[in-house]
Amino acid sequence: DGGITQSPKYLFRKEGQNVTLSCEQNLNHDAMYWYRQDPGQGLRLIYYSQIVNDFQKGDIAEGYSVSREKKESFPLTVTSAQKNPTAFYLCASSPLENYHQETQYFGPGTRLLVL
Amino acid sequence: AQTVTQSQPEMSVQEAETVTLSCTYDTSESNYYLFWYKQPPSRQMILVIRQEAYKQQNATENRFSVNFQKAAKSFSLKISDSQLGDTAMYFCAFMRTGNQFYFGTGTSLTVIP
Repeated sequence: DGGITQSPKYLFRKEGQNVTLSCEQNLNHDAMYWYRQDPGQGLRLIYYSQIVNDFQKGDIAEGYSVSREKKESFPLTVTSAQKNPTAFYLCASSPLENYHQETQYFGPGTRLLVL
Repeated sequence: AQTVTQSQPEMSVQEAETVTLSCTYDTSESNYYLFWYKQPPSRQMILVIRQEAYKQQNATENRFSVNFQKAAKSFSLKISDSQLGDTAMYFCAFMRTGNQFYFGTGTSLTVIP
């Protein structure tokens, strides 16, 4: 089945620790995205990538880092610099036509909690 | 900057009835896309319906339809014959061609049996 997978479903982080959230897609989509969702707020864009080995900061990139070494993979690292990481993290992907994205499709999400 | 406003934080509807969720947006662009996504308790974001701004005809998907008023920058979602499985958060989203998505803060819909 084609789709987007995120792992783990739940992740616990200790103070000062970096943690990495996985996102994989087998839809052959060019673009991939990471969003953060907090209660009472909409989704906020952290990072996005439209091509392998290239990515751009979104609205709330501070304290996060990403890589895009393969088309199907876009891992997100939550660094110790992110002081309030507790949130629900959603990965999305979209096909591109003429370098323009279309509909975004989402993974099931990862819930990150700080111990 | 693009903004998306959903002014109804919570709504409820009786099963089998019709409900309309509101969304307004702000943009100076003439060509863009609008979306409604559903997020059930599982938290999986599911695309409900999509509208292209250059198309005057309102999009429909089975029991879901939109009322797109471009001049008023309004994009409401109508759910007919509401079912218990429609209980979810609903997010309105705006996308300018070739650019990122902007999401509203969501409307929590509860379908009452």
